[in-house]
Amino acid sequence: SQELEQSPQSLIVQEGKNLTINCTSSKTLYGLYWYKQKYGEGLIFLMMLQKGGEEKSHEKITAKLDEKKQQSSLHITASQPSHAGIYLCGADRTGANSKLTFGKGITLSVRP
Amino acid sequence: EPEVTQTPSHQVTQMGQEVILRCVPISNHLYFYWYRQILGQKVEFLVSFYNNEISEKSEIFDDQFSVERPDGSNFTLKIRSTKLEDSAMYFCASRVEGGYNSPLHFGNGTRLTVT
Repeated sequence: SQELEQSPQSLIVQEGKNLTINCTSSKTLYGLYWYKQKYGEGLIFLMMLQKGGEEKSHEKITAKLDEKKQQSSLHITASQPSHAGIYLCGADRTGANSKLTFGKGITLSVRP
Repeated sequence: EPEVTQTPSHQVTQMGQEVILRCVPISNHLYFYWYRQILGQKVEFLVSFYNNEISEKSEIFDDQFSVERPDGSNFTLKIRSTKLEDSAMYFCASRVEGGYNSPLHFGNGTRLTVT
């Protein structure tokens, strides 16, 4: 099965600071998805990366996929309290109708 | 924006009872999934469903579990005889196409508490 390691496990930052979190796969990445989860709520889709070197941005969040390292990073610029939550990466196996396998998630707290 | 809806948001049941968790996926989506998340743990895959049949299931999805799409809109997860360890958040998800071309869209979950 696809093992995804996320680091760090948790992170506390001061509002306004930049931060980066990582997701590393033990197997080849064909599709990498980032989701955000508020405690006790559903997963909100953030971004999907498919090709090596691909980089996507949405508002102050940027995600990159390094296919060779089998790793993705998510960078938040000028963090705000609204960025607090659990960030999960999910990976696709090849083939149609494939499930996503998720990492354990990274808990981000932003101090005002 | 269309969304996946799940009912109820919270279900409390006694051990040994049957429960049915309900989901309405996004209307033009073709692939449906159930995941669960035990408190403090990973989001775990249970089952995927396409074209009115199970595509894949995990080891967790044993004979106590079943899924159904009884009509054109609902997608249900049934647990026949609940155990204490079934207590978890259950998430329904759907996607418009399979493979690595489209994201899964998740509902807000049903919190199942088995007493």
